Amino acid sequence: GAGVSQSPSNKVTEKGKDVELRCDPISGHTALYWYRQSLGQGLEFLIYFQGNSAPDKSGLPSDRFSAERTGGSVSTLTIQRTQQEDSAVYLCASSAHRKETQYFGPGTRLLVL
Amino acid sequence: DAKTTQPNSMESNEEEPVHLPCNHSTISGTDYIHWYRQLPSQGPEYVIHGLTSNVNNRMASLAIAEDRKSSTLILHRATLRDAAVYYCILRDPSEEAAGNKLTFGGGTRVLVKP
Repeated sequence: GAGVSQSPSNKVTEKGKDVELRCDPISGHTALYWYRQSLGQGLEFLIYFQGNSAPDKSGLPSDRFSAERTGGSVSTLTIQRTQQEDSAVYLCASSAHRKETQYFGPGTRLLVL
Repeated sequence: DAKTTQPNSMESNEEEPVHLPCNHSTISGTDYIHWYRQLPSQGPEYVIHGLTSNVNNRMASLAIAEDRKSSTLILHRATLRDAAVYYCILRDPSEEAAGNKLTFGGGTRVLVKP
């Protein structure tokens, strides 16, 4: 079956611009997670969705970052007024339920110039 | 959070088994042991997980010590496609906050030589 998909696969933007990153989870998965991975670093948790609600936003680094999920499926991570330190790979994962195994998408590589 | 310790890197020859150790001496009774791997320029890929008993699947085997303070991921016959960073992670799904996320450490970089 189809796995987690993310778009775009690569995004280059200028400092100060807004970007939107999209995640399509595995069909039927109720839990969705966003992480980011800076070059050579481990994963940094950003936010967790259960259905359309986000009970854990503890990893969002600033108020420039926001995310939403609609229809219990697609999620969008938005970064406003991008900064160079936002450059990273943004990874989305989904799981059937919160306690189940997480499956990752290929990531979106964001470069802020 | 319970932490894991893994060697930074490991080399193997193609077609030979690879044993990847992970120490987790502060593991709690409700922590599951998960293994993920990350191939170059790809997202992490789930490999296997277990709680107390040894586990086998099509990708690998997981051997868990009786005291659960360590575990070993076993790739039975390494191929060039197995070259990746392998992460050993503890996750307690019953924890309201920490159970939401995976925390990756440095992992073990596996190099497979032809």
